[in-house]
Amino acid sequence: ETGVTQTPRHLVMGMTNKKSLKCEQHLGHNAMYWYKQSAKKPLELMFVYNFKEQTENNSVPSRFSPECPNSSHLFLHLHTLQPEDSALYLCASGRTGSSNQPQHFGDGTRLSIL
Amino acid sequence: KNQVEQSPQSLIILEGKNCTLQCNYTVSPFSNLRWYKQDTGRGPVSLTIMTFSENTKSNGRYTATLDADTKQSSLHITASQLSDSASYICVVSAGNRDDKIIFGKGTRLHILP
Repeated sequence: ETGVTQTPRHLVMGMTNKKSLKCEQHLGHNAMYWYKQSAKKPLELMFVYNFKEQTENNSVPSRFSPECPNSSHLFLHLHTLQPEDSALYLCASGRTGSSNQPQHFGDGTRLSIL
Repeated sequence: KNQVEQSPQSLIILEGKNCTLQCNYTVSPFSNLRWYKQDTGRGPVSLTIMTFSENTKSNGRYTATLDADTKQSSLHITASQLSDSASYICVVSAGNRDDKIIFGKGTRLHILP
């Protein structure tokens, strides 16, 4: 149990589908993150939310749309994805302003685009 | 350019042996350095975190070292176990507010019985 829960764990979708990834944390953290992990590449930061406000968008294509309704929940809405979007999508949470605190990661959603 | 380089890319050792993983970074201003363990199909889990004033930090059989002058870190695993098979990721935070996080590609460690 990591304290950060992601659903679903696996997702297979066609390029024309619309789906959403969900993340929730019950660690009392005020920051939440979406990362993309592709084979043989470093984790890529996609979005950062602090106190429900988006503070960073790392030039992510608009086919990825994040939503943060509160400090405990984070969504990633997907539509018209491309085969190169197949990857492991990791959610993490942390405390901003506490630089010595590690980020806590969920176990990710393995996404496959057909 | 802020970068984190890890070596080796992959490593195979026998159970019970020791091993050392390397992390070199060019990150400024340095805030802290973290080592994560990522089991297959799971998210990364923090092992150690060190600021510039800390030279070494242990977590059970895992010992991380940091040389802020040469900008190098190592993760030493003692008496390896089969459960140590995983990817080990070095992460360096930069910025006065820890607002830039740079990930290495990781080292894939295989422990053979």
